[in-house]
Amino acid sequence: DSGVTQTPKHLITATGQRVTLRCSPRSGDLSVYWYQQSLDQGLQFLIQYYNGEERAKGNILERFSAQQFPDLHSELNLSSLELGDSALYFCASSVVGQGGEQYFGPGTRLTVT
Amino acid sequence: GENVEQHPSTLSVQEGDSAVIKCTYSDSASNYFPWYKQELGKGPQLIIDIRSNVGEKKDQRIAVTLNKTAKHFSLHITETQPEDSAVYFCAASTSGSNYGGSQGNLIFGKGTKLSVKP
Repeated sequence: DSGVTQTPKHLITATGQRVTLRCSPRSGDLSVYWYQQSLDQGLQFLIQYYNGEERAKGNILERFSAQQFPDLHSELNLSSLELGDSALYFCASSVVGQGGEQYFGPGTRLTVT
Repeated sequence: GENVEQHPSTLSVQEGDSAVIKCTYSDSASNYFPWYKQELGKGPQLIIDIRSNVGEKKDQRIAVTLNKTAKHFSLHITETQPEDSAVYFCAASTSGSNYGGSQGNLIFGKGTKLSVKP
């Protein structure tokens, strides 16, 4: 157990809908990262927050957004969902802002039908 | 930007044999190289990492080597056991990069599915 928690574990929704994925980092970690894992693209970095502020952006679509709250938990919002958004979404956390060990949560499996 | 290539994509070994997975990276500024193990239905688990000021690091049956000149790093697992069966990912990142952008975050290889046969 990495200490990173994610909810829900599974999510099934229809195209065009909006969902919110939640992540709680390890105690003491200030950084939260979101990754998408699909069979064809592998593990892709989406976005990072550090102590409540956006720190870095990767291959995140404009339909996706995230935020980190004062208690350091983070939410990833996915809107106007398409079939191609079906994937595993992982949250990871680390103590530092960059270059530190990242610990991954168990993931949320999103299925868009 | 950084690109990480990982080989082989699948690897099958007999229990007790050694397994080696190799990765190459493109950005000479990369200085942190972790390895993750992902079991079915679980998130990636950090198993070992190495920084660019070190050439080799060992942790029991696992070792990682880094060749900065050639820009490649490898994972070595000795005395493999069936519970080592999983998908292994290498990654690269830079630390201390400028604020913003995607530098400093992990760029992953495509993964190696390791099967250890009893």
